[in-house]
This record gives sequence, C-alpha cells and structure tokens, in this order.
Amino acid sequence: AQSVTQLGSHVSVSEGALVLLRCNYSSSVPPYLFWYVQYPNQGLQLLLKYTSAATLVKGINGFEAEFKKSETSFHLTKPSAHMSDAAEYFCAVRGPGEYGGSQGNLIFGKGTKLSVKP
Amino acid sequence: NAGVTQTPKFQVLKTGQSMTLQCAQDMNHNSMYWYRQDPGMGLRLIYYSASEGTTDKGEVPNGYNVSRLNKREFSLRLESAAPSQTSVYFCASSEVTRRGRTSGSTDTQYFGPGTRLTVL
Repeated sequence: AQSVTQLGSHVSVSEGALVLLRCNYSSSVPPYLFWYVQYPNQGLQLLLKYTSAATLVKGINGFEAEFKKSETSFHLTKPSAHMSDAAEYFCAVRGPGEYGGSQGNLIFGKGTKLSVKP
Repeated sequence: NAGVTQTPKFQVLKTGQSMTLQCAQDMNHNSMYWYRQDPGMGLRLIYYSASEGTTDKGEVPNGYNVSRLNKREFSLRLESAAPSQTSVYFCASSEVTRRGRTSGSTDTQYFGPGTRLTVL
C-alpha cells in the first residue's frame, strides 16, 4: 500500500528565501508522485509530477522536486520565495495498477501551509 | 473548456436532511473521484468511478452514495446529513488507460473548485 508523510504542517519563509517542503513516501511498487498547490478557497492545481522519466522534475511557478529512491523522498523546492507562493501544498502518491483498481488512486499527505513574510 | 465544475459552491444543511452534490467534466476523462478535505487531514477519497457505469468505495465512503450518470457527470449524495460530514468536497477527473498506465500528462487529476458544506 502507498502512503505519504509531509513533514511540517506549517512552514514560514521570508520573501526571497529558499522554500523547502518535505515529502516522504511509502510504496510497494515504483511510485508516481505529485505535488499539488491549493490557494485559499480554491481547488487543487498540479505543480509537478514524477513518473520515472527523470529524477529532477521541474514544475510551474519555478518549483522543482527531486525523486530520491534511497531516501524515499520527493521534496519540493523553490530557490526564491514570492509572496504569491503562500498557499497549502500537498504531496500525493499513486502506484501503477490495474485499470479501475484502487491502486490507481491518489493518496494525499496532510498538507503543508506555506507562509511568506515580506 | 470549463474543466471540472461543481455545484453548489456553498450549502448549509440541518442534521438529517439530504442533498446531492453535482460534478461535471468536459475533458472526456474516464475516471472521476470525490474527495473530502478536513483541516489537518489532507484529502481523503470517498468514492471513485473508473469508467461510466462503475463506482467503487474509497477510504471514507460511509454516509455517502454516488452515481456516475454518464461519462461527464458524477454526483455525490448525502442521504441523511450529519455534523461529521461538514467539510469541503472536491470532485476530480483523470484519464487512466488500461492496466493503470497512462500516456504523457493524461494521468493528472484535475480538480473542481469545491463545495463547502456545513451540517448543523
């Protein structure tokens, strides 16, 4: 079974500082991994995803994440935070499985709220 | 192209009342999902539908029923609402091909804007 752990329910950074949001996963099969962002009172939007093509994945808005199998991690980073990055971020895992099987569904972490101080 | 739409945006119910949350997608996706989001809990899957005519339980199905009306629409029904069902409900859709494998970017789940439900 797949699971995701996001370390830190709240992270606060200063504008211009490095953003690092941590995600560790558990999967019995090679995982597909996702980062979603949720702005206040909105739905979830895909930031980036890992599907085994490349370990360093670049996403929208300057975010990237590196898949590290040895550490079972998929941490999200951005070199320089912007005020508009303030949102909640969710890591999710999906294991490849049979068509229609529950293994095809996303398992979400509990989320990390990112605050950006001026 | 509206993506995934949900109605209503907000709803207040009294305990014991029933209601149906509507979801529609215009991306011709096979798979659709209903999640609930609660503070500190992330998103939890209620039900999903891998294709038209099929539905399956997710992590937290108790107190809910679903209907995959056609390929576009997937509704969630609360037969007798309880305060524990106060939450934000999200519908999502994705294209998942046979054997769970996907091509290109089609395995991404696309989310609707959500329905905020309060049960008093």
